[in-house]
Amino acid sequence: SAVISQKPSRDICQRGTSLTIQCQVDSQVTMMFWYRQQPGQSLTLIATANQGSEATYESGFVIDKFPISRPNLTFSTLTVSNMSPEDSSIYLCSVEGRVSTGATIYFGEGSWLTVV
Amino acid sequence: GENVEQHPSTLSVQEGDSAVIKCTYSDSASNYFPWYKQELGKRPQLIIDIRSNVGEKKDQRIAVTLNKTAKHFSLHITETQPEDSAVYFCAARYSSASKIIFGSGTRLSIRP
Repeated sequence: SAVISQKPSRDICQRGTSLTIQCQVDSQVTMMFWYRQQPGQSLTLIATANQGSEATYESGFVIDKFPISRPNLTFSTLTVSNMSPEDSSIYLCSVEGRVSTGATIYFGEGSWLTVV
Repeated sequence: GENVEQHPSTLSVQEGDSAVIKCTYSDSASNYFPWYKQELGKRPQLIIDIRSNVGEKKDQRIAVTLNKTAKHFSLHITETQPEDSAVYFCAARYSSASKIIFGSGTRLSIRP
């Protein structure tokens, strides 16, 4: 399975500020995704990070609020802009990896953000 | 639209009994169905998955079944143990963009 490193692992952020989360994978992967998990909720897909082009955002998420970079096949960043308490969540990077039976999805450790 | 429904939202079973969690999906072209276990304060961990070319898969005490006609799949945990207590998420890959959509989660509690 792919090894996915995410940082920061945790942070407390001031309202109105922005924070960039980094995701590093130990091998080249085609598909990288960013998810948000609000307290007590399921995982919601924010966007697909496309290498060399603009990310594909899901309904309800916009580039101005969640800009994403994907400069190569092993790295991506997600920025949470102009944060409010409603942005307090776990943000998870995930990648599609290959196993003997086909493709599967793995998650990073997550970045636990609290906005005060 | 893209949707995965999961039931029940909470489940409490006696230790040693079986637990079953059910999910339905909306895209008939979906071809990959993973299940994740999330313990408190941790990331989701893949515990088992099934692809559309098989109807059942088993790994020790965990099994997953898939009914493509009815567009539903289920997780079965037998001989439950205290360490099985966690939140379980089903998911489905939507073929239109290879993205994974998650169910709402089931909080499983094992009673001693």
